[in-house]
Formats: sequence, C-alpha cells, structure tokens
Amino acid sequence: QSALTQPASVSGSPGRSITISCSGTNSDVGTYDLVSWYQQHPGKAPKLIIYEVSKRPSGVSNRFSGSKSGTTASLTISGLQSEDEADYYCCSLADSNLWVFGGGTKVTVL
Amino acid sequence: QVTLRESGPALVKPTQTLTLTCTFSGFSLNTVGECVSWIRQAPGKAPEWLARIDWDDDKYYRTSLKTGLIISKDASKNQVVLTMTNMDPVDTATYYCVRNMKLHAFGIWGRGTMVTVSS
Repeated sequence: QSALTQPASVSGSPGRSITISCSGTNSDVGTYDLVSWYQQHPGKAPKLIIYEVSKRPSGVSNRFSGSKSGTTASLTISGLQSEDEADYYCCSLADSNLWVFGGGTKVTVL
Repeated sequence: QVTLRESGPALVKPTQTLTLTCTFSGFSLNTVGECVSWIRQAPGKAPEWLARIDWDDDKYYRTSLKTGLIISKDASKNQVVLTMTNMDPVDTATYYCVRNMKLHAFGIWGRGTMVTVSS
C-alpha cells in the first residue's frame, strides 16, 4: 500500500480543468514543502512536472500547477489536452522512508 | 544534455544478488549538490524510491525492504552502482536511475531496465 493516497482516476473534457489530490500525513506532506509530481505515459519513464509543491521545471507547460494545504497536495491541469492523458504520481519527502510516492491517478481526456 | 542509462541482467533467480549500473553524462557527481537515486516500478504499480547517493558520498536507503541495498559511485567513470542482495520475486520491476533535482525531486530519469526475479 502506497504511503500517499491519490484517486485512482480522474477525467475531464478537452479545454476544462481537473485537479488531482494527494493525501498524506504529518510525517510527509504536512511537514515538508517538498512535494513533487510526475507524469508517465505508457511504456515511458516518469517525467517531473512539479517540484517543491508548486514550481515547474524549465520546459513544463504552465497549464500544470501545484498547491498544498495541510496534509493534502494538489495538481491542477488547466486547458486539458489529449496529450495530458497519462498516469500522474505525487511524491513527498517523509520521516521514515525518506521519499514516498502516491498510488497514481489515471487521467482520461473525454 | 543529461542522459542516464541503466544496465544489468534481465533475469535473476530468487536469493541471488542483483547488480545494476547507471552510466550517466551531462553532469558530474564531483559537483556539489549533485545526487543520483534509484527508483523501481513493479508492473502496474507506483514508483518506489530505493536509494540515493550524493556528491559527498552520503547515502540514503529505503529501510523497509527485506532485500539488502548498497549504493556506490565511481565519479571518475560517471557511474552509480546499486547492489541488491537476496532478491525475491516481489522485486520484479523496472529499475530507473535518476538524477535528482534540488535534492528532493527526481529530475531526469533513465529509460529503465526491466528485471525479473524467477527460478
């Protein structure tokens, strides 16, 4: 069982916005502003899209944004596009296991 | 351009030791602040962080594994090696070598190498 909890699936129509939640505890998300998000297309390696809760690496679309409140982090994808269809994983620094991932969310573009 | 490439056996038997090598380019593990991690992903599952080695040879490990882990580096060869002892079928996964970003994010991933543990 993954340490961080994500919804199994989220869907949205092209052009709309969706939000993926990532629920943790005071041992990880609630304590550290070190949440990152990864996009993974089938058969490919994950790609970093958000780090330190809300920062985007160079080259990542500004349609991706991150936030955190308490022990829950969120990833919002605005202006949903077909290429956004992928699996998304959150990750946080944690007290015990150092870095923990969420179980992943499959995003479907309707 | 930063690239990382994993290499190692595709198949190991239970109880055997797995040795994976990450060969990278575009950065140096002699540079302050650079770190490389190993992350694995079982088929259909979420990624799982395993270990990290820093430019100053500090090492961090996932302590909850039954499998023993050792991470090492040869900065002169631009290589990081992960050794896993007492492999079990549950260790079947794709193993990724990753360049950390700002210490706590996994910035650049290799293509991964699939390892199957089976007798």
